[in-house]
Order: sequence, then C-alpha cells, then structure tokens
Amino acid sequence: EVQLVESGGGLVKPGGSLRLSCAASGFIFSNAWMSWVRQAPGKGLEWVGRIKSKADDGATGYAAPVEGRFTISRDDSKNTLYLQMNSLKTEDTAVYYCATGHVTHGYLFDYWGQGTLVTVSS
Amino acid sequence: EIVMTQSPATLSVSPGERATLSCRASQSVSSNLAWYQQKPGQAPRFLIYGASTRATGIPARFSGSGSGTEFTLTISSLQSEDFAVYYCQQYNNWPPTFGQGTKVEIK
Repeated sequence: EVQLVESGGGLVKPGGSLRLSCAASGFIFSNAWMSWVRQAPGKGLEWVGRIKSKADDGATGYAAPVEGRFTISRDDSKNTLYLQMNSLKTEDTAVYYCATGHVTHGYLFDYWGQGTLVTVSS
Repeated sequence: EIVMTQSPATLSVSPGERATLSCRASQSVSSNLAWYQQKPGQAPRFLIYGASTRATGIPARFSGSGSGTEFTLTISSLQSEDFAVYYCQQYNNWPPTFGQGTKVEIK
C-alpha cells in the first residue's frame, strides 16, 4: 500500500524558513517523479513544484510564485522528499501535500499524502 | 499558463440522481485532463485521467468525457459518499493547472 506522510508544518513569521518532509513507502520511491501541491485555506489546489527521478536526471521545476524561494530535494536512501521554503510570505499559508507522479505522466498525481499545514503570520 | 474553468461552482443534487460537472481549458489540452475528488479535511483522490480512464478502484458510476478544451465528469447515480468537491487538472502543458473546483452538495 502506497503511503505518503508529510511533516514539518507549523507557524512561521514572514521572511522565515521551514522545511517540509514527505516519507514514502509502498512503492519504489527512487523511480517516482514527486510533486508538492498546496491548498490555501478554503481555496483550490495549486501545483508548487516537482522533482524527477534520478534516472530522468533528477531535475526540479517550480511554479512562478515560489521560483527562487522554494527548493525541492529527495533522499532516495531514506525514501523521503523535502521542500525547503525560504523567504516565506503570508500568501504561502496553505496545506502542503506531496504527491506521486503517475507512471504514464509525471504531472498526473495518483497518490497524495494527508498534508501538513504551514501558517505564515506575524 | 493554461487556465481551467469549472462550472457550476456548486451543484445541488439529490442522492440517486445524475450529476454533470464541466471543465473548460483556455487552450487545447488534448485528452490530458484528470479529475480529483476531495472531501473536507482529506487529501484529493485521483479519479480519472486521459479525460475518460478511471483510476484503479474508482466505481463505474464515475465517467469522464471530452477533448481539446471541453470536458465533463458525470456521476451517474450519486451516492452519499460522492458529495465532495471535484477538481479538474490539465497536464498537457507546463505548469500543470487545476480548476477552482465544483462542490457537489446534497439537495
């Protein structure tokens, strides 16, 4: 059974930093493209960024609102995905989900974690 | 980026009735369109991809259709567990983008 468990959320002041983790199990993590998707309170879903598998060069890509501030990385030896968030803004407040890319397309999200809440407020 | 527009924002349906949800893309996404279901306090659930292919374990009462810019999700006979918010998502162009959601509520 695929499981994704996010952690690391919390309250942070504007301009601060936070690192989220996503522990994966039940599938071959090293083969998977992984994404972060967020959802502001009461709002819809917004793709944040993704990291390819190392076999597919391990490249990262980001949505415009977070480019240059957020960094996605992975540790395949620990089956863990990370999201380093710097220079946080109030508009980054959201539940952050990690999601697996489907075997047919990396931007198709077939499994999701339960999410972790990030609140950016002074 | 491609803008996805869903309608209606809220759909009131009685249990057992059919629900039809629409999703429009600002430019063609071919058949690279997915649907997700989200219940309060839960993560999204993967329902349909390729505009019409049900994901593993999804009941046959869920069906998708369309191509290009116009797509439809149909729930043939609403069950109590189907009342939720539904999102469409295009994955034809980078970045992947979602619609704003349609809430299916009990009439």
